[in-house]
This record gives sequence, structure tokens and C-alpha cells, in this order.
Amino acid sequence: GNSVTQMEGPVTLSEEAFLTINCTYTATGYPSLFWYVQYPGEGLQLLLKATKADDKGSNKGFEATYRKETTSFHLEKGSVQVSDSAVYFCALSSTGGATNKLIFGTGTLLAVQP
Amino acid sequence: DTGVSQNPRHKITKRGQNVTFRCDPISEHNRLYWYRQTLGQGPEFLTYFQNEAQLEKSRLLSDRFSAERPKGSFSTLEIQRTEQGDSAMYLCASSLDARGLGTQYFGPGTRLLVL
Repeated sequence: GNSVTQMEGPVTLSEEAFLTINCTYTATGYPSLFWYVQYPGEGLQLLLKATKADDKGSNKGFEATYRKETTSFHLEKGSVQVSDSAVYFCALSSTGGATNKLIFGTGTLLAVQP
Repeated sequence: DTGVSQNPRHKITKRGQNVTFRCDPISEHNRLYWYRQTLGQGPEFLTYFQNEAQLEKSRLLSDRFSAERPKGSFSTLEIQRTEQGDSAMYLCASSLDARGLGTQYFGPGTRLLVL
């Protein structure tokens, strides 16, 4: 079945450091891929998405490229800020069926220190 | 656009009691989803509505759980005879069907604690 694997946290970085959070997936068909972010005490927010191979999603300085050959969708940011501290979830949605439910990874906690 | 809202935000109940949660999706969104998130895990799909029709239910949704979406607007999720294992965050999301590519927007969740 479809699944998402993302790197375990917590990831602790200093402000202005480079961020990579790895995400790989297993899916039949051609899924859409997403990164959601959950700030402390808040709900899930869509950070970025990509709907086909080689698409790059970007938002707020974060980027991720849909790599079909490596079944990956790694999240990157060139310079993190303290305000980026949150839990990041990688997810996929299979467009082969009618539901388009999201399948999430376990989440990666990012802590950015000043 | 007021976003997806959920009520209550927190619920503490005793084992064996029934609880009901409400979700108000973004207006005009025809798809509505329920997910459950336990501590340290990602959300897991529970059930899905397109308009008022419940089209898919996860095996996680035991017969103690029931969801409705009358008139295709708000939705309710009821848990009967709650168990301690039901303690979790219950998330609602809605989307506008766009050939199946509509982005899901999440509410703040209802945190349930069963004592």
C-alpha cells in the first residue's frame, strides 16, 4: 500500500543554518506530494505541494522537488529562523482513486535556536 | 473565508461515555475528511464525505464511531462508549473538488482525553 517515510527528529539547528528534511514515499500511480507544518498549539497548514514529477513546490523560502526516480520529496530551506520551529509532515495523496485521502509520515520536529 | 472550524477544541470524558465533535468546513467545499492524530504520529485517515455522501471509511473506524454530514455542510463525529485508546486529536479537513487535486485545509482539531 501507499506509505510515506520521513527522517526522525528532532532536528536542532542554529538560526541561519541550512535545513534538509528527508521524505521518501511508496505509491502506485502518480501521487501528489505535500509538506504540511504544525506550529505549537495550532492546526496543520499546507506549506507546499507538487502534483507531478519534477515539479518544485515552494513557499516562505522552503522548497521541495518531486523526484519520481528516487521516490523522494525532500524539504529544504537555505536559512532557517527561530519562527520556523514546528513539526513538519510529508504526505501523499493518490489521484488514482476517488477519495484522495492524505497519507502522512510521522512528522519531524524542527527546533531552531537563536 | 473563515477557514475550517471545529468544536469543541478540548474534551475530557470518562470511559464509557459518548462524545460528539462538530466540524464546519470552508463554505462551498464539497469534500470533507476526518483524521485522527495520536501523540508523536502523523494524522491517519478515518472517513470521507463528498457532499452528504459518506464514500469511504477506514478500518480504524470501529462500529463505535459514526459520522454524518447532513445537507452536505457541517459534519459530526460521534464516538460511543469511549475507551482510553480513543484519546487523540481529531482533525477535520475540507477541499474543493478540482479533478481530485483540491488542497485539503485543516481545522485546529478537537483534543479528546478519555479517563
